[in-house]
Amino acid sequence: GQQVMQIPQYQHVQEGEDFTTYCNSSTTLSNIQWYKQRPGGHPVFLIQLVKSGEVKKQKRLTFQFGEAKKNSSLHITATQTTDVGTYFCAGPKAAGNKLTFGGGTRVLVKP
Amino acid sequence: GAVVSQHPSWVICKSGTSVKIECRSLDFQATTMFWYRQFPKQSLMLMATSNEGSKATYEQGVEKDKFLINHASLTLSTLTVTSAHPEDSSFYICSARVPQTSNQGYYGNTQYFGPGTRLTVL
Repeated sequence: GQQVMQIPQYQHVQEGEDFTTYCNSSTTLSNIQWYKQRPGGHPVFLIQLVKSGEVKKQKRLTFQFGEAKKNSSLHITATQTTDVGTYFCAGPKAAGNKLTFGGGTRVLVKP
Repeated sequence: GAVVSQHPSWVICKSGTSVKIECRSLDFQATTMFWYRQFPKQSLMLMATSNEGSKATYEQGVEKDKFLINHASLTLSTLTVTSAHPEDSSFYICSARVPQTSNQGYYGNTQYFGPGTRLTVL
């Protein structure tokens, strides 16, 4: 079945530094979505990418969808303590409206 | 917009009792809702898809008689954990599907999540 994998599983970042987390799907995706879950909270929708090679920015966050629509990345610049949390990517399953979530990248920021 | 509420936010119960969790879409109608289970430091595991006016569809390995789902209206889905046991203790999260469109038409769904319910079975 469809698998969505994320690396790294954990990301320890010094405050102010940049980092990138990656998402890879075993199948081609019609779109890819990113969610953020703060510690003790619930997933919150961040963004959806639809087009091959699409790049979208939200302030210090840059999201990219691969040309083959099988991978995606999230790059955060000048990391802040507010960036702490787990970032999940998710892709729709072949049939229906269900999403397959990646394992998540847990981000810890060192002040 | 697209606010989803969940009640209760936490519950502690004795083994053998049943627990009902409610998921409501507050400012939109949701024909489809989803129920997930999440263990500490792990990803979201889809349990079932709740469809308004019809039976829920369960993921492989999820006992439908154990986890009863009812989607009686366009704004409410309920999950009942029957005869709960300690191994059912977990974080249960619901979400509602919100179709996304652009000037080029429909292009996908996003999900808006409720705040979750932490169930502890003693």
